[in-house]
Amino acid sequence: NAGVTQTPKFRVLKTGQSMTLLCAQDMNHEYMYWYRQDPGMGLRLIHYSVGEGTTAKGEVPDGYNVSRLKKQNFLLGLESAAPSQTSVYFCASRGFGGEAEAFFGQGTRLTVV
Amino acid sequence: RKEVEQDPGPFNVPEGATVAFNCTYSNSASQSFFWYRQDCRKEPKLLMSVYSSGNEDGRFTAQLNRASQYISLLIRDSKLSDSATYLCVVNPTGGGNKLTFGTGTQLKVEL
Repeated sequence: NAGVTQTPKFRVLKTGQSMTLLCAQDMNHEYMYWYRQDPGMGLRLIHYSVGEGTTAKGEVPDGYNVSRLKKQNFLLGLESAAPSQTSVYFCASRGFGGEAEAFFGQGTRLTVV
Repeated sequence: RKEVEQDPGPFNVPEGATVAFNCTYSNSASQSFFWYRQDCRKEPKLLMSVYSSGNEDGRFTAQLNRASQYISLLIRDSKLSDSATYLCVVNPTGGGNKLTFGTGTQLKVEL
């Protein structure tokens, strides 16, 4: 059982380039999330989804777009990468219920130069 | 004020010591609380949920004080393998069951 899988694991982009990060979960979870983690800042929510076809903004959504066309996949897009988007990105999924555990992918280390 | 606040540490303790972390949250209507553990350059993983009555899992004890809006984690008989960052996590009310993370408290257990 793979859980939550993120691709790619590492990426270096030039300023202005675009890319898409893919998150796939095989647990049939309704909720999916994208976080970024920076030193001293903890995990900050970028966007999230409460079900297939739905997305919503989190705490730091600017510069990112997301899509959830299939329940198992949650895509994070950077249309024009900036050095401020250098970070570690984590995807997570969660089932129904306030007590449900969140499962995380292994992270994507993105550097924008 | 941040929604979830933690002392970043690091806490450097000898093996076998007891160490406690506190976390405060700002939304009094928050419903669910957790401690996650994150090893260096790894993804966070659930350590334990925190219940109103307090709960224990082996050497780990979690407590919730709703009146003062804080959560605590107590680790007894620290092991070298306990060295990690401990994240306080709160599920505030509202849509999406969003989880709000504290910045984490770093623990280093030494010989």
